[in-house]
Amino acid sequence: GAGVSQSPSNKVTEKGKDVELRCDPISGHTALYWYRQSLGQGLEFLIYFQGNSAPDKSGLPSDRFSAERTGGSVSTLTIQRTQQEDSAVYLCASSPRSIGNQPQHFGDGTRLSIL
Amino acid sequence: QQQVKQSPQSLIVQKGGISIINCAYENTAFDYFPWYQQFPGKGPALLIAIRPDVSEKKEGRFTISFNKSAKQFSLHIMDSQPGDSATYFCAASPYMKTSYDKVIFGPGTSLSVIP
Repeated sequence: GAGVSQSPSNKVTEKGKDVELRCDPISGHTALYWYRQSLGQGLEFLIYFQGNSAPDKSGLPSDRFSAERTGGSVSTLTIQRTQQEDSAVYLCASSPRSIGNQPQHFGDGTRLSIL
Repeated sequence: QQQVKQSPQSLIVQKGGISIINCAYENTAFDYFPWYQQFPGKGPALLIAIRPDVSEKKEGRFTISFNKSAKQFSLHIMDSQPGDSATYFCAASPYMKTSYDKVIFGPGTSLSVIP
């Protein structure tokens, strides 16, 4: 019964570099979410994958951010040309179905630091 | 209209006291209201959830009170313990799949229970 797994747990990179963050959802979960959490702040929605439907990208803050979900399972969040304001914890969550009453199961996040 | 408001932003309670966190929403399509608990360095985890067909739900020391007419709901933690010190997020979503089924989170409340 593995939970949501995110890697790496910590990432330090220089401004201007590209980074990839990975999320392995719970097996069989069709919905997958990415959130950003700045220090001491709430959850900022980024993107939502729902089965085979087109993802809801309405929360992506700029075109430097993109995400993919391959085979309905693993997801990768990519940030290009990183900026210092991108420093945050990036959280991934999955849920069994795409309707709203299913609890979201969160990973422990990737702490991203941009120097 | 998609916002969920949450107060207070931070809360300090003596051990054994009652912690109360309040949330409010506007979208009448919301009819599922979960609460998540987040410890430092961890992802949020579902604590307790309620649907508006009941006015109260209790699980152990945790109780959700719901006021449908006022569109408000609150979390009460009875006999608060230092181990309850965490950040608490209320959330709202439609129970059934609609054209808008994303979970909306409140901004969070940082609870500190002091011995």
